[in-house]
Amino acid sequence: LAKTTQPISMDSYEGQEVNITCSHNNIATNDYITWYQQFPSQGPRFIIQGYKTKVTNEVASLFIPADRKSSTLSLPRVSLSDTAVYYCLVGDRYSSASKIIFGSGTRLSIRP
Amino acid sequence: DAGVTQSPTHLIKTRGQHVTLRCSPISGHKSVSWYQQVLGQGPQFIFQYYEKEERGRGNFPDRFSARQFPNYSSELNVNALLLGDSALYLCASTTGTVHYGYTFGSGTRLTVV
Repeated sequence: LAKTTQPISMDSYEGQEVNITCSHNNIATNDYITWYQQFPSQGPRFIIQGYKTKVTNEVASLFIPADRKSSTLSLPRVSLSDTAVYYCLVGDRYSSASKIIFGSGTRLSIRP
Repeated sequence: DAGVTQSPTHLIKTRGQHVTLRCSPISGHKSVSWYQQVLGQGPQFIFQYYEKEERGRGNFPDRFSARQFPNYSSELNVNALLLGDSALYLCASTTGTVHYGYTFGSGTRLTVV
């Protein structure tokens, strides 16, 4: 199972771009990288998924270097409502959910 | 379309009791997974079911069991409750066996006293 390492917490200010990096040195060939966002007392919410290079959607961008040993979630122009815990997961999309592990996540705090 | 719905939202039980938690997936989703989330930690995988068959089991004792019904809804059962079972229990659904991203419910907050 590919293990991920993320910063425990990050702080930023409204209107800034926030980049959260995740390390996954043992990522396997078939593994994808997925990010979730979780607010208190709610279930995680899927943000973005990618395999290599760059993926962008209406919420965030995901940058994956050629060696795929790390990835960076980029949140443009954050607001107070982006305060949440962000999880980086790595796993084969066709494997059981048991193979896709949530770590402790990164607690992002946005200040006015 | 309704999202993943879980019931009840909150529950208080006494040590030694039994509890049943329920989950209804998004319409068309055939896979349901259960997670336990203790305060301050990430969700921990308990079970996954697809087409009523168990597809994976996490490192939880036999006191935990689950099943999936023909309409793809699911139940998580926990027997002989311990104080340490207090947690947010999350249900997630997805269309099939490919993880394009799970849709989670808001969870059931279980408190064991």
